[in-house]
Amino acid sequence: DIVMTQSPDSLAVSLGERATINCKSSQSVLFSSNNKNYLAWYQQKPGHRPQLLIYWASTRESGVPDRFSGSGSGTDFTLTISSLQADDVAVYYCQQYFITPPTFGQGTRVEIK
Amino acid sequence: QAQLVQSGAEVREFGASVKVSCKASGYSFVDSFIHWVRQAPGQGLEWMGRINPKSGAVNYAQKLQGRVTLTTDTSINTAYLELNGLTSGDSAIYFCARDRGYSYGASWGQGTLVTVSS
Repeated sequence: DIVMTQSPDSLAVSLGERATINCKSSQSVLFSSNNKNYLAWYQQKPGHRPQLLIYWASTRESGVPDRFSGSGSGTDFTLTISSLQADDVAVYYCQQYFITPPTFGQGTRVEIK
Repeated sequence: QAQLVQSGAEVREFGASVKVSCKASGYSFVDSFIHWVRQAPGQGLEWMGRINPKSGAVNYAQKLQGRVTLTTDTSINTAYLELNGLTSGDSAIYFCARDRGYSYGASWGQGTLVTVSS
């Protein structure tokens, strides 16, 4: 199985400041035939279901605010919240879907400083 | 808009079985895989398996092989998760999710809390 490791486990950011979450996979999730990274990001607010934010490492899901962006390739990926809002308090997960079973990172908790 | 609605919370005794349902609407049920993911209290997300509603083909997480069964009833656009031999480690919220041709969760059910008590 591909192991996904996120860092940090938690972070506190002031309102309006940038939040950056890292995700590293134990092997590449880049498929050379289509040059796509099989990496998704989810947001899970307390007591709620996960919500898809980003897929193909950098494609924003419809309706997701443009302050959320994804980047990276191969084994190293980043989710950036450009200007943190109160509504962004949540746990964020990365997930690879390159190889079955799909696997998730352990999650990163984002709070307001 | 795609929507997944799951059955209600369940309480089971140690060693029992549980069956959770996931009713889909707003899209063609047979055109997307249904995945099941669980989340133990205060923990992260664990993929359990997936089913192709069109063919019935399934993939299961290795650690759950032999205890988990995924099925669908395409006549009522509903997917089912059955888990046998329940232990305290199976106490969790169980989510179904629909993919869009690749195994990421585009839409999720609201979750079903399963509590295993001794």
